[in-house]
Amino acid sequence: SAVISQKPSRDICQRGTSLTIQCQVDSQVTMMFWYRQQPGQSLTLIATANQGSEATYESGFVIDKFPISRPNLTFSTLTVSNMSPEDSSIYLCSYPEGGQETQYFGPGTRLLVL
Amino acid sequence: AQKVTQAQTEISVVEKEDVTLDCVYETRDTTYYLFWYKQPPSGELVFLIRRNSFDEQNEISGRYSWNFQKSTSSFNFTITASQVVDSAVYFCALSEAAQGAQKLVFGQGTRLTINP
Repeated sequence: SAVISQKPSRDICQRGTSLTIQCQVDSQVTMMFWYRQQPGQSLTLIATANQGSEATYESGFVIDKFPISRPNLTFSTLTVSNMSPEDSSIYLCSYPEGGQETQYFGPGTRLLVL
Repeated sequence: AQKVTQAQTEISVVEKEDVTLDCVYETRDTTYYLFWYKQPPSGELVFLIRRNSFDEQNEISGRYSWNFQKSTSSFNFTITASQVVDSAVYFCALSEAAQGAQKLVFGQGTRLTINP
């Protein structure tokens, strides 16, 4: 599998600010995904990052709150906008491999909003 | 709608014991994929196994084994001779081919603690 990395690995932010999380894969991949894992909870898909078009958001997530960019086939960013303490979570990016059936995940970004 | 249930929220065993993590799924699709991931305290999600709906053969990898039974919609995971390094949260997940195989639905996870 390709190597997938995220920046930052963790951050502490003040409410009302925004944070952009970067996800880098060391080879070209067709699709990338962003997930949220709230404290003690499971993972929930936020959106699919499509190269060359707008991201596709899941129910309950909107572009104004979680804008996503996918400028090329190896990179994507997720911005968490106008943050509140409820946004404190681990944010993970992933990509599919093996006929798009198996997803591999980045190391995650731990976000704490005060 | 697809759903994954991991009824065991937390399991605690002593090292060298065998432990089984349960996973029950719901899907209306005939073609689907099941997964197990491990999340150690560091937070990353580590892929363990993928199973296709048309392949019911059980699989063994070292101390890990998986029992897939379509008749009971279960995909259970057994760790034999557990070790402290096995301590982690384990997630079972499902994706349906009809929904785009990349859309994963996760169970709530089972926190496994192996005590020395």
